Amino acid sequence: SQQGEEDPQALSIQEGENATMNCSYKTSINNLQWYRQNSGRGLVHLILIRSNEREKHSGRLRVTLDTSKKSSSLLITASRAADTASYFCATAYTGGFKTIFGAGTRLFVKA
Amino acid sequence: DTEVTQTPKHLVMGMTNKKSLKCEQHMGHRAMYWYKQKAKKPPELMFVYSYEKLSINESVPSRFSPECPNSSLLNLHLHALQPEDSALYLCASSQPGLAGSSGTTDTQYFGPGTRLTVL
Repeated sequence: SQQGEEDPQALSIQEGENATMNCSYKTSINNLQWYRQNSGRGLVHLILIRSNEREKHSGRLRVTLDTSKKSSSLLITASRAADTASYFCATAYTGGFKTIFGAGTRLFVKA
Repeated sequence: DTEVTQTPKHLVMGMTNKKSLKCEQHMGHRAMYWYKQKAKKPPELMFVYSYEKLSINESVPSRFSPECPNSSLLNLHLHALQPEDSALYLCASSQPGLAGSSGTTDTQYFGPGTRLTVL
């Protein structure tokens, strides 16, 4: 399967703490994307990092990409209760024409 | 306008019914997608349309029939579904890949989904 693996599967933290989620994938990629999904709703695109980039920031989000280890991490700093959601990485494989979603991490931020 | 709309929000149908899901976007995107998502699972790609032509069909059963009437609209026609087809159906759109390519790997914009229950 081309599907990426994410860990942890679930993460529970207190408001104000940082949350880190990891994604690993299997073959060469064009880019890697992170999406958020609130319960039972559509996905919201958070950030896209290309294969020639190593780090990217957007507000409280920081994404890193290590192509030698075929892995990426998403860091959410100073988490809020509203960050409670499922987070998915999605990989666009080199030579492929579709984006494959990882299994996701369910984040719970307690107020 | 960065919105993708989907109707209906909820749908309950029997196994002998025929129904349709609708998706609309006005961002000028020429790639549109249908995904199926079961509870606590990631979205699974079903179909991709690129420049109004079906470019990817992920071996989806024929009881699901996609249609792209124009560059802004995407339909999914449902007929003789099974209870295991109950899921959240998500539509998405994006900028397309090169003309003539089968899909894209760019940022996708998702609609809120249709929650389908098959009795």
